[in-house]
Amino acid sequence: EVQLLESGGGLVQPGGSLRLSCAASGFTFSSYAMNWVRQAPGEGLEWVSAISGRGDSTYYADSVKGRFTISRDNSKNTLYLQMNSLRAEDTAVYYCAKEVDAEVGATSFKYWGQGTLVTVSS
Amino acid sequence: DIQMTQSPSSLSASVGDRVTIICRASQSISSYLNWYQQKPGKAPKLLIYAASSLQSGVPSRFSGSGSGTDFTLTISSLQPEDFATYYCQQSYRTPPYTFGQGTKLEIK
Repeated sequence: EVQLLESGGGLVQPGGSLRLSCAASGFTFSSYAMNWVRQAPGEGLEWVSAISGRGDSTYYADSVKGRFTISRDNSKNTLYLQMNSLRAEDTAVYYCAKEVDAEVGATSFKYWGQGTLVTVSS
Repeated sequence: DIQMTQSPSSLSASVGDRVTIICRASQSISSYLNWYQQKPGKAPKLLIYAASSLQSGVPSRFSGSGSGTDFTLTISSLQPEDFATYYCQQSYRTPPYTFGQGTKLEIK
């Protein structure tokens, strides 16, 4: 059974940093691209970032480019999102989601984690 | 970037009704269009992928159609468990994978 479990969320001050993790199980982690998607309170879904199965291709939404870094450790079956220079508008539930192939693109998200809440506030 | 526009943003309907939600892309995305259902406090659930392919385990009352820029999600006969928010998502080529703004389906 595919399982994705996010952790690392919490309360952080504006300008601060946080690292989210997504522990994966039930599939060959290195064979699938992975994504982060967020949802601000009461708002819609916003795609944040994607990384290929090997970790050699990464993509970012303009809203986080230069501040967030996606990475993965295939030996630990774990996806990460390093978030720096956090802003109030980054407050959201962050989900990790699995693609259907190792390469990013032309995909759908059948499997999602339960989400972890990040709150940016002083 | 490709923009996705959903309509309506909210919809009131009754059990048994037939409902259609529209999603339009700002440029052609071929059939790289997915539909998700989300209930409060839960992660989204994939309903339809590649515009018209029903995800395994999803009831057949859900269907999707379209290609290019215009897409529809149809629920043929609403059930009580279908009241939720629905999102379209384009995945044409490489990211950004844009979502529509969502359609909240409420009980009339």
